[in-house]
Amino acid sequence: QVQLQQSGPGLVKPSQTLSLTCTVSGGSISNDNFYWNWIRQSPGKGLEWLAYIYYSGKTDYNPSLRSRLSISMATSKNQFSLNLTSVTAADTAVYYCARAVYGYHYFDRWGQGTLVSVSS
Amino acid sequence: DIQMTQSPSSLSVSVGDRVTITCQATQDINTYLNWYQQKPGKAPKLLIYGASNLQTGVPSRFSGSGSGTQFSFTISSLQPEDIATYYCQHFDDFPFTFGQGTKLEIK
Repeated sequence: QVQLQQSGPGLVKPSQTLSLTCTVSGGSISNDNFYWNWIRQSPGKGLEWLAYIYYSGKTDYNPSLRSRLSISMATSKNQFSLNLTSVTAADTAVYYCARAVYGYHYFDRWGQGTLVSVSS
Repeated sequence: DIQMTQSPSSLSVSVGDRVTITCQATQDINTYLNWYQQKPGKAPKLLIYGASNLQTGVPSRFSGSGSGTQFSFTISSLQPEDIATYYCQHFDDFPFTFGQGTKLEIK
């Protein structure tokens, strides 16, 4: 059973960089049947897809945040990570990592969620 | 971006009720629509993919239908464990977007 475990700080200061990591167990992040995503949820904006990365290194980002987002993967550690730069209070949200099935585009495995608060 | 509008935003329900939620897209998305259930403090759970396909292990009282811009999600006989918030999500093109959610509450 594939599981996704998130790690990273729950508090980030304004203007700094939010960094989260998702460790995948029970399956390989290099499996070409899947791609790996970050999604966030805030009271104001609901569920918002942020970015994905595929085993080949292909990435895509939500255009509304593209200039501040970066997603990467470490295949040797079976992990993928998200960086969001220049954060403000508007970036306060629960951040989820999630697996999507390639070609069908549904999110079938999710991490536990990390509440990230942006505050000084 | 394609916008997804769900209705209603909340619904008071009783055990045994037939519950229907609708989701409208701002453009034709074929059947590129998924439905999720989310309980407080938990990640969303996939219920329906491709508008009408039941995810493995999901009870058959859940169903979905529709194509183009109009979709519906139905619980045929509501069970207590179905009290949650439900979201639609399109996958016609990136960025994928979600509806704002429909929260079920016990009457």
